[in-house]
Amino acid sequence: DADVTQTPRNRITKTGKRIMLECSQTKGHDRMYWYRQDPGLGLRLIYYSFDVKDINKGEISDGYSVSRQAQAKFSLSLESAIPNQTALYFCATSWGGETQYFGPGTRLLVL
Amino acid sequence: AQSVTQLGSHVSVSEGALVLLRCNYSSSVPPYLFWYVQYPNQGLQLLLKYTSAATLVKGINGFEAEFKKSETSFHLTKPSAHMSDAAEYFCAVIYGGSQGNLIFGKGTKLSVKP
Repeated sequence: DADVTQTPRNRITKTGKRIMLECSQTKGHDRMYWYRQDPGLGLRLIYYSFDVKDINKGEISDGYSVSRQAQAKFSLSLESAIPNQTALYFCATSWGGETQYFGPGTRLLVL
Repeated sequence: AQSVTQLGSHVSVSEGALVLLRCNYSSSVPPYLFWYVQYPNQGLQLLLKYTSAATLVKGINGFEAEFKKSETSFHLTKPSAHMSDAAEYFCAVIYGGSQGNLIFGKGTKLSVKP
């Protein structure tokens, strides 16, 4: 079984809708991250969490919110989706500041 | 601002040829450096990482990278390309004071011709 899982794997939604992307990990890592990937731009950090009570904004947090429900779960919400949030979203985990391990990604299309 | 530069958004090589993917970082203090690979429709997989133990780092699938402080570079190489190496490759850096957060380059898409 995968150590870092993301649900859903694909999602189509309409402008203005609220959606949630979920991430779970079985690695026992303390840190969790959300990134978005756009063609030609690499990966950009949206939010990161050092533990359940420590959540921080990344480079591109506007329009997004997160929740760390437990050490193993970190969800990303788009309160009111817009087309330029169409992207591939990745969750990652790490122990301290060590190597990050990535989930398989969620492909989001906002119409 | 701290950054990571990958020269060449697309690189094409013939099967059996040398693979060279370039990465430069922007800091006088040696950071932690990583190469990740993304196969089509998959997540990112760690290829190798530099953490100051040795300047030549060997990774999976025959890849290696050399840390050169004088050139602020961490180029990825493989002596002989295989068709299965076709993927997108990302260089990423953890700079001191960045709370352990990765900064990614924009990626290099590698094509391998038969």
